[in-house]
Amino acid sequence: EAQVTQNPRYLITVTGKKLTVTCSQNMNHEYMSWYRQDPGLGLRQIYYSMNVEVTDKGDVPEGYKVSRKEKRNFPLILESPSPNQTSLYFCASRAGRGVETQYFGPGTRLLVL
Amino acid sequence: GDSVTQMEGPVTLSEEAFLTINCTYTATGYPSLFWYVQYPGEGLQLLLKATKADDKGSNKGFEATYRKETTSFHLEKGSVQVSDSAVYFCALSDPTQGGSEKLVFGKGTKLTVNP
Repeated sequence: EAQVTQNPRYLITVTGKKLTVTCSQNMNHEYMSWYRQDPGLGLRQIYYSMNVEVTDKGDVPEGYKVSRKEKRNFPLILESPSPNQTSLYFCASRAGRGVETQYFGPGTRLLVL
Repeated sequence: GDSVTQMEGPVTLSEEAFLTINCTYTATGYPSLFWYVQYPGEGLQLLLKATKADDKGSNKGFEATYRKETTSFHLEKGSVQVSDSAVYFCALSDPTQGGSEKLVFGKGTKLTVNP
């Protein structure tokens, strides 16, 4: 089954404790991205990757890092989480440029205390 | 920059009622337009899309027509069901953005359908 998976689905942590949210897709997609969803703001892009070893900032990259060492994986790293990073995070993938349908993971709900 | 504005929710309807969720957009180029749906506890799923002016996207009884003259992409369904209860997001993708090609989302409209 074609899918985007994320782990963990729920996470409670404390300020400053590094964490990683994993994202994996099994569709051999080139393009992957991370969004955060906040009430009243909709979804905003954090980082994206056009292919292995190619990543770039989205609209709200501050406080986040990503890496793309393999095509299928695109982890989101919070080196020093802060309470304003409490949010619902979605990973998405797409086959390539100009192919517009993006497939979303189930989401990771993060609470930073 | 590009933006999407959709009607504020929440929207509450009775089963079999007619649904319209308004969506308008601002874009510098010729964007593709989308409606995504998010069921409770799940990720976003593509509901329908349109890639050029006057195209009509349709799926599961939902329809939306790409209106370039009014920069709109309103979502409609003739008879909603309880199972349609979800949050609906209008979005665009603008190729003139360059490498990002991100989806620009509206804020979402929560629909509740009562039996």
